[in-house]
Amino acid sequence: AQSVTQLGSHVSVSEGALVLLRCNYSSSVPPYLFWYVQYPNQGLQLLLKYTSAATLVKGINGFEAEFKKSETSFHLTKPSAHMSDAAEYFCAVSDQDFGNEKLTFGTGTRLTIIP
Amino acid sequence: DTGVSQDPRHKITKRGQNVTFRCDPISEHNRLYWYRQTLGQGPEFLTYFQNEAQLEKSRLLSDRFSAERPKGSFSTLEIQRTEQGDSAMYLCASRGGRGLGETQYFGPGTRLLVL
Repeated sequence: AQSVTQLGSHVSVSEGALVLLRCNYSSSVPPYLFWYVQYPNQGLQLLLKYTSAATLVKGINGFEAEFKKSETSFHLTKPSAHMSDAAEYFCAVSDQDFGNEKLTFGTGTRLTIIP
Repeated sequence: DTGVSQDPRHKITKRGQNVTFRCDPISEHNRLYWYRQTLGQGPEFLTYFQNEAQLEKSRLLSDRFSAERPKGSFSTLEIQRTEQGDSAMYLCASRGGRGLGETQYFGPGTRLLVL
């Protein structure tokens, strides 16, 4: 079964600094990987996804992630943090084994931006 | 594309009561998912529909839970004899397409509080 591990339940960065949110996956098949963002009391919004095309994936709001098979990682980065980036971020892997592609999420990383 | 909608957004009920939630997916999306998210955790898969057929149910979905998608459009999730442990955010997602790695689009969620 697929799983994801997000290292660091809370990350704080200064406004303008690099954002790095870590995600490692475990999958028995080539994975499809997703990053979602959740603002308070809202649903999840897709930031970006990896579906076996380019290993460096660019998403919305200046975020990008790099798929590294050798490290089983899919870390999310943004060169310069903005106050509006404060939210909870979830990494997810898609279950392809049974065809329904349900998502298995990590426990999330809460990002705080320091003015 | 009006997005995935859920109703109600908030529900407070007393233990032992029944509750029903509704999800309206993006039109023409044939796949619909229900997830549950408890405080401080990532969403967990509950069940999945392809058109009107319920194809998979998680072990999290006890006998008190039932989901339907009668005409392959909107879906309902009913919880009978609610318990305090049912308090959570219930998220609905839909996706279209036939290929792998298609994006799941999430609704805003229904937050349930069982007193």
